[in-house]
Amino acid sequence: DVKVTQSSRYLVKRTGEKVFLECVQDMDHENMFWYRQDPGLGLRLIYFSYDVKMKEKGDIPEGYSVSREKKERFSLILESASTNQTSMYLCASRSAGVGNSPLHFGNGTRLTVT
Amino acid sequence: AQSVTQPDIHITVSEGASLELRCNYSYGATPYLFWYVQSPGQGLQLLLKYFSGDTLVQGIKGFEAEFKRSQSSFNLRKPSVHWSDAAEYFCAVGAEGGSYIPTFGRGTSLIVHP
Repeated sequence: DVKVTQSSRYLVKRTGEKVFLECVQDMDHENMFWYRQDPGLGLRLIYFSYDVKMKEKGDIPEGYSVSREKKERFSLILESASTNQTSMYLCASRSAGVGNSPLHFGNGTRLTVT
Repeated sequence: AQSVTQPDIHITVSEGASLELRCNYSYGATPYLFWYVQSPGQGLQLLLKYFSGDTLVQGIKGFEAEFKRSQSSFNLRKPSVHWSDAAEYFCAVGAEGGSYIPTFGRGTSLIVHP
């Protein structure tokens, strides 16, 4: 089974801190994703990566950046955390190719910015 | 642009009753369609997917979904709900025009009464 591991289940950070959310997958998937989940808004795509060192903005990239130096790892960076970035963050991966490959999700990181 | 609508924010059913969760999508060609389930504190797990062939798709945990092109719908069904089915359900669509990046609906929260 594919395993997508997010390094932290819960994080509490202060406003203005630089925050790193880490995600690792063990199935050699080319594509990786970061979504943000908020009540009533569903999942919104922040960034995705087709492959190593490749990244594309999603629907809500403002205030975030990403890094993909190795195939298995996709990091989400909050350059200067703000209270409106308090949310659940979900990482996902999938194999490349046709669009019917499903996403495999981690268990999420619940970030609170105070 | 592709989009997904889940018109029901909450659905309440009694254990043993049948279930139908609605999903409507917007896309011109045949899309790739998915249903995911999220149990409390967990990431999303794939229930089933459709991309071609038989319009009635069987998934895990006794779920099925039917693709109806004329109605742009992909409704999820289960004949008899169990208490453990209480969760958040997400419909997603991926299509060529969107680089096959899935767009998620806002989710439907299923409450199961004993």
